[in-house]
Amino acid sequence: QKEVEQNSGPLSVPEGAIASLNCTYSDRGSQSFFWYRQYSGKSPELIMSIYSNGDKEDGRFTAQLNKASQYVSLLIRDSQPSDSATYLCAVKRAGGSYIPTFGRGTSLIVHP
Amino acid sequence: GAVVSQHPSRVICKSGTSVKIECRSLDFQATTMFWYRQFPKQSLMLMATSNEGSKATYEQGVEKDKFLINHASLTLSTLTVTSAHPEDSSFYICSAVSGGEETQYFGPGTRLLGL
Repeated sequence: QKEVEQNSGPLSVPEGAIASLNCTYSDRGSQSFFWYRQYSGKSPELIMSIYSNGDKEDGRFTAQLNKASQYVSLLIRDSQPSDSATYLCAVKRAGGSYIPTFGRGTSLIVHP
Repeated sequence: GAVVSQHPSRVICKSGTSVKIECRSLDFQATTMFWYRQFPKQSLMLMATSNEGSKATYEQGVEKDKFLINHASLTLSTLTVTSAHPEDSSFYICSAVSGGEETQYFGPGTRLLGL
């Protein structure tokens, strides 16, 4: 059973702080990792993808991957109220025949 | 970035009627499309995987005769909810993957209300 675990939250951070979202996965064959943001009532939108161990930065977002420990995290610097949403972690094996597995998501609340 | 559209965005179904939801990849060819269902405050639930030109693969517990999926071209997949009832009320979301890519791109979703 492939599992992707996320703390459901809510994670509450003040505006301007760093929000840290974590995700662990059970399938050691996983090669592709994604973070999606989902606002209430909307569909998920891709924030970042990461495939190699280490950090990957894109603007205020940094994805961190540690395959040995089987976790992937998302850091949001200078959090804004507009970042308040549910963040979904998705994990898959490489190759088009594999289906991504989604976590249940972490609710983030950034308060002014 | 890749764009996926869905139509309609909202639909109300009288009890026992059917509704077809379209999912289109607008600027790429989608070799695989996924259909998800999401109830309020719940996680995404994968219903089926649809590959162009072949029968959809349904997840356990999803009735294939209830949820008809057709992926007739590389840019269009349809989900037909047959004989809709109140328990079918949900947010239906499709996503698409381009051949050779790993990333899923989601459509905006269709909110279905079954009466």
